[in-house]
Amino acid sequence: NAGVTQTPKFQVLKTGQSMTLQCAQDMNHEYMSWYRQDPGMGLRLIHYSVGAGITDQGEVPNGYNVSRSTTEDFPLRLLSAAPSQTSVYFCASSYSPGYLTGNTIYFGEGSWLTVV
Amino acid sequence: GENVEQHPSTLSVQEGDSAVIKCTYSDSASNYFPWYKQELGKRPQLIIDIRSNVGEKKDQRIAVTLNKTAKHFSLHITETQPEDSAVYFCAASILPRGSNDYKLSFGAGTTVTVRA
Repeated sequence: NAGVTQTPKFQVLKTGQSMTLQCAQDMNHEYMSWYRQDPGMGLRLIHYSVGAGITDQGEVPNGYNVSRSTTEDFPLRLLSAAPSQTSVYFCASSYSPGYLTGNTIYFGEGSWLTVV
Repeated sequence: GENVEQHPSTLSVQEGDSAVIKCTYSDSASNYFPWYKQELGKRPQLIIDIRSNVGEKKDQRIAVTLNKTAKHFSLHITETQPEDSAVYFCAASILPRGSNDYKLSFGAGTTVTVRA
């Protein structure tokens, strides 16, 4: 049981390049999400998914794209990288958020992205 | 959307003393309030959470209190130890009944340093 796995851990991109951050979980979690973490701003939600085939926007979705073709995978695509997207990205998942059920969100180890 | 404010941004305490971190939220419908701890270079991990139907929850040296009327909640760490040094994040969300569609909004974080 590996939990939430993110790749790559470190990446340097040039402005205008595109790339995909991979995220996979082996816990059969319905809910998956992507956050970015910037100094002094906490964790901000980019996109999330409540199940395979369903995605929705979070707080800062512009410049990012996601898809959820399987329960296990939730890749994040940067369409045309900008220096403002330099950040640490965390993928996260939880079983089935709901008021009466457990809501522990498990984070991946993070991906450090620098756009030059 | 939900706005979560967290204070202080940094906190230095003597080993053995208590640490208190306070958060306020804007949406009175929020009903789920988790706290995450993030050690340097690591992923955030849930340490305690509280739902709006209780006013206080305790787990060993950690406790969280919730004041729904004032829309604020606090983390209390007693008998602090060097391993408590980390960044702590509060968060708030509306957990829907009968659905798993929700968004977690985080505070900006508090860097806690425990002096030996």
